Amino acid sequence: GAGVSQSPSNKVTEKGKDVELRCDPISGHTALYWYRQSLGQGLEFLIYFQGNSAPDKSGLPSDRFSAERTGGSVSTLTIQRTQQEDSAVYLCASSPLGEGEKLFFGSGTQLSVL
Amino acid sequence: LAKTTQPISMDSYEGQEVNITCSHNNIATNDYITWYQQFPSQGPRFIIQGYKTKVTNEVASLFIPADRKSSTLSLPRVSLSDTAVYYCLVGDPDTGRRALTFGSGTRLQVQP
Repeated sequence: GAGVSQSPSNKVTEKGKDVELRCDPISGHTALYWYRQSLGQGLEFLIYFQGNSAPDKSGLPSDRFSAERTGGSVSTLTIQRTQQEDSAVYLCASSPLGEGEKLFFGSGTQLSVL
Repeated sequence: LAKTTQPISMDSYEGQEVNITCSHNNIATNDYITWYQQFPSQGPRFIIQGYKTKVTNEVASLFIPADRKSSTLSLPRVSLSDTAVYYCLVGDPDTGRRALTFGSGTRLQVQP
């Protein structure tokens, strides 16, 4: 079956603009995660959804970042008034119920803020 | 959550066995240990997960001593394509102790 799909794969934007990143998880996966990875660095947790609710938003770096998930499926990560330090790869992962920490990742969205 | 410590980098040659050890001294009773592999420009890929003793699949083996304060990922007969970053995570989602932080991982370089 299809894996986790993220779009766009690349996004170039100007400082101060808003961007929306989309994640289509694997069908039936109840958990969904967003991570950020800067060049050569490890993964930074942003937010986690169980169904449509987000029990853990502790990783969102500022109030410019928000995320939602609808219908227990697609999720959108929105960054308002982008800054150059927001440039990174944004990765989405999903996990089926009862599979522990077995996450399935998408290929990410490379965001470049000029 | 259990903090994990891994070597920053390792070098090996094709055909050798590679063992990457992760320390997790404050692992909790219900925590599982999970390893991921990440190639450049890709998201991490699940390799193996275990709770205690030894787990083996078609890709790797995971050795966990009785005290569970560390774990060792073993890659048999590595090839150039095993060059990647390997991450160790510890957590238990069923109790809310999600292992959400991947850390910097271990960068494995396999030479011909």
